[in-house]
Amino acid sequence: DTGVSQDPRHKITKRGQNVTFRCDPISEHNRLYWYRQTLGQGPEFLTYFQNEAQLEKSRLLSDRFSAERPKGSFSTLEIQRTEQGDSAMYLCASSLLGQLNTEAFFGQGTRLTVV
Amino acid sequence: GENVEQHPSTLSVQEGDSAVIKCTYSDSASNYFPWYKQELGKGPQLIIDIRSNVGEKKDQRIAVTLNKTAKHFSLHITETQPEDSAVYFCAAAETSYDKVIFGPGTSLSVIP
Repeated sequence: DTGVSQDPRHKITKRGQNVTFRCDPISEHNRLYWYRQTLGQGPEFLTYFQNEAQLEKSRLLSDRFSAERPKGSFSTLEIQRTEQGDSAMYLCASSLLGQLNTEAFFGQGTRLTVV
Repeated sequence: GENVEQHPSTLSVQEGDSAVIKCTYSDSASNYFPWYKQELGKGPQLIIDIRSNVGEKKDQRIAVTLNKTAKHFSLHITETQPEDSAVYFCAAAETSYDKVIFGPGTSLSVIP
């Protein structure tokens, strides 16, 4: 499968626990994006990387959230001290900025439930 | 920043009829307008997009129009089929490789 892969697909955690999600982009894609989608709403931009550099962070990304892309390939999104309001679908997307620019392709998402 | 509005929020049509979803955006710097289809439990899937240098684009039963002056764009689905039932999102971005700002979505139901 050459699409964007996210792991895990589902995560249930207790309030106050830390969680980490992983995203593997399409192999040649140098841009990687994280979005959050709550029930009945459109996805909201959180942050994006070009290679390993984090270029933009939304104000939605509180201090409890941190994203990394250490080698410019896969990325992780960590949420510390989870709250019930963090329950959402976390979506990853990737695109290629270069001679052949492409649109963003989304993964299937990680659904987080904080109980 | 960019703000994308979308109407209607729900749409129910008979199989074979057409469906139209309309969107507006606020930032004149936006030049790329993708449309996504999202089925239950899945990520958004790009179905068609349009760039600001064209006013209309068609792909089989799907067409999009763009009025950059009025900051309006629309999705038209003809000859709807039950498998078209899903949530559709319009979106706007400066380019195809920039962050995308989504509308709130339209839940389309095609009744057999």
